[in-house]
Amino acid sequence: EVNLVESGGGVVRPGRSLRLSCLTSGFKFGEYALAWFRQPPGKGPEWVGLIRSKVYGGTTEYAASVKDRISISRDESTSTVYLHLDSLKTEDTGVYYCTRERRPNLDLDFDFWGQGTLVIVSA
Amino acid sequence: EILLTQSPATVALSPGEGASLSCRASQSVAKYLAWFQQRPGQAPRLLIYEASKRATGIPARFSGSGSETDFTLTIRSLEPEDVAVYYCQQRSRWPFTFGGGTRVEMK
Repeated sequence: EVNLVESGGGVVRPGRSLRLSCLTSGFKFGEYALAWFRQPPGKGPEWVGLIRSKVYGGTTEYAASVKDRISISRDESTSTVYLHLDSLKTEDTGVYYCTRERRPNLDLDFDFWGQGTLVIVSA
Repeated sequence: EILLTQSPATVALSPGEGASLSCRASQSVAKYLAWFQQRPGQAPRLLIYEASKRATGIPARFSGSGSETDFTLTIRSLEPEDVAVYYCQQRSRWPFTFGGGTRVEMK
């Protein structure tokens, strides 16, 4: 069974950094791209970024709204993907979801989602 | 960035009624359009990918159609569990973008 479990959310002061983790299981981690989405309270989802599988160089793509502040990485040994976000702003508040693409090797339709972790950026 | 415009914003239906939800793209996304369902308090759920292909486990009453800039999600016969917000999302070009959503309510 495919499972994705996010952690690391909470209340963070503006200007600080955060690192979210997504522990995965139930599939061949190295073969899949993984993405992060977020959803501000009462609004629709927003794609934040993704990291390709090692087969495709583990390269990343990021949304313009976070491009200068974000880093997504993956640890093949623990099947974990990370999101690091610097210089947090109040508009970064929301539920952050870790997702996996539907099929390996750059399918890029994301059909497995974690339960999400809530990040609140507030003084 | 590709803008996706969904309509209507809200639709209210009786059980068993059908619905057509529209998503229009500001430029061609070819077939790379997905539909998600989001029930209250839950993560989005992939319903349709590549415009017309149902994701695993999705009931046959959900179908997708369209290409280029005009897409439709059809719900053939509304069930109570279909009450949700429906989003379209394109993956044709970076950045991936979502529409503003259509809320489906039960009369």
